[in-house]
Amino acid sequence: SAVISQKPSRDICQRGTSLTIQCQVDSQVTMMFWYRQQPGQSLTLIATANQGSEATYESGFVIDKFPISRPNLTFSTLTVSNMSPEDSSIYLCSSFSGLLDTEAFFGQGTRLTVV
Amino acid sequence: AQSVTQLGSHVSVSEGALVLLRCNYSSSVPPYLFWYVQYPNQGLQLLLKYTTGATLVKGINGFEAEFKKSETSFHLTKPSAHMSDAAEYFCAVKTGANSKLTFGKGITLSVRP
Repeated sequence: SAVISQKPSRDICQRGTSLTIQCQVDSQVTMMFWYRQQPGQSLTLIATANQGSEATYESGFVIDKFPISRPNLTFSTLTVSNMSPEDSSIYLCSSFSGLLDTEAFFGQGTRLTVV
Repeated sequence: AQSVTQLGSHVSVSEGALVLLRCNYSSSVPPYLFWYVQYPNQGLQLLLKYTTGATLVKGINGFEAEFKKSETSFHLTKPSAHMSDAAEYFCAVKTGANSKLTFGKGITLSVRP
């Protein structure tokens, strides 16, 4: 399956600052997904990013807080803006490949701690 | 809309005992169903998936799951638990190509010696 390189793998940030997470896929993909996994919790979808259009955000997530870019079919960024300690989570990007788009693959995640 | 329900947050079994992790889904169209495992401080690993065809699917590490449309279920089983099976298990549903993957809240499996 395809491979996603995600960086940074971890970071410790001051509250009020922003962090941009990058995901590079080794093949072209139509859709990319950004998830958040809070400590001890499941994965919650933040938004879906298609190339050339605005990202689609899930309920509870807004563009001002989590702006996303998708400049081409192999790359996407998620920015966590004006961070607070509640934003401390693992952030993952994901996409699909294979027949029926059922082969999900994930980046290794970015472990973010806000202090 | 699609959703996944994993009842309970923690299951504890003895080594060698049957593992049964329950998953029920809600979907307005035929679903694609998945089980993922996450070991501590590691990424997600696909255990198995159901898309079409045979309703009993076999995955890695001796796990299998059966898609039961009438019960809207996709329970994960393993005949004999091993200590190395201790992890977090997530059930997930997808409703076709280009659709998002929705995860259940996960179940922590503990295996007692």
